[in-house]
Amino acid sequence: GESVGLHLPTLSVQEGDNSIINCAYSNSASDYFIWYKQESGKGPQFIIDIRSNMDKRQGQRVTVLLNKTVKHLSLQIAATQPGDSAVYFCAENQAGTALIFGKGTTLSVSS
Amino acid sequence: DAGVIQSPRHEVTEMGQEVTLRCKPISGHNSLFWYRQTMMRGLELLIYFNNNVPIDDSGMPEDRFSAKMPNASFSTLKIQPSEPRDSAVYFCASSLDRASTDTQYFGPGTRLTVL
Repeated sequence: GESVGLHLPTLSVQEGDNSIINCAYSNSASDYFIWYKQESGKGPQFIIDIRSNMDKRQGQRVTVLLNKTVKHLSLQIAATQPGDSAVYFCAENQAGTALIFGKGTTLSVSS
Repeated sequence: DAGVIQSPRHEVTEMGQEVTLRCKPISGHNSLFWYRQTMMRGLELLIYFNNNVPIDDSGMPEDRFSAKMPNASFSTLKIQPSEPRDSAVYFCASSLDRASTDTQYFGPGTRLTVL
């Protein structure tokens, strides 16, 4: 089965709200995690990453939180905008091999 | 930087035909990845190359699929013969190296429809 998965397949928010997208992983040996954003008709686009020696990392309007105790990853988007509407994937690295992607969460932002 | 380039962007073919998808990685990147994306299975890694050498092809569905990387700036994914179940979006990605901590940059994808 999938070692990386998402709790919710769809998230709907109002413009200006904060969004939180969650991800669970099963391999405690994973040491690198990435969030990608995929807009309709495009390839996945890198958003932010985090290594296992960190529990939080911030970017522009985005924050990734890593809880290794419960093997949980989240992406927080501040002041969500319509342009944030997309499918968001988490991905993890296992033992130095290629990334494994979760199924994705669709974020829908309404004005 | 032009990013990862894929061609064609769309391909419609009939069952049994040969399909060739093309990818040009970002200049200077040493690793290249081929993925397939479907609604049912999400993003699946098919194969990846490092320095033009196939490292892991365990994701290649079956012998009908083959991939080559004759040089650092070009790779092909071939399906022969194609089947309707091969219909999907195929992405190529590249990274500086194969290390997990190197960000993968994706191309726009090729949408394949096999009738």
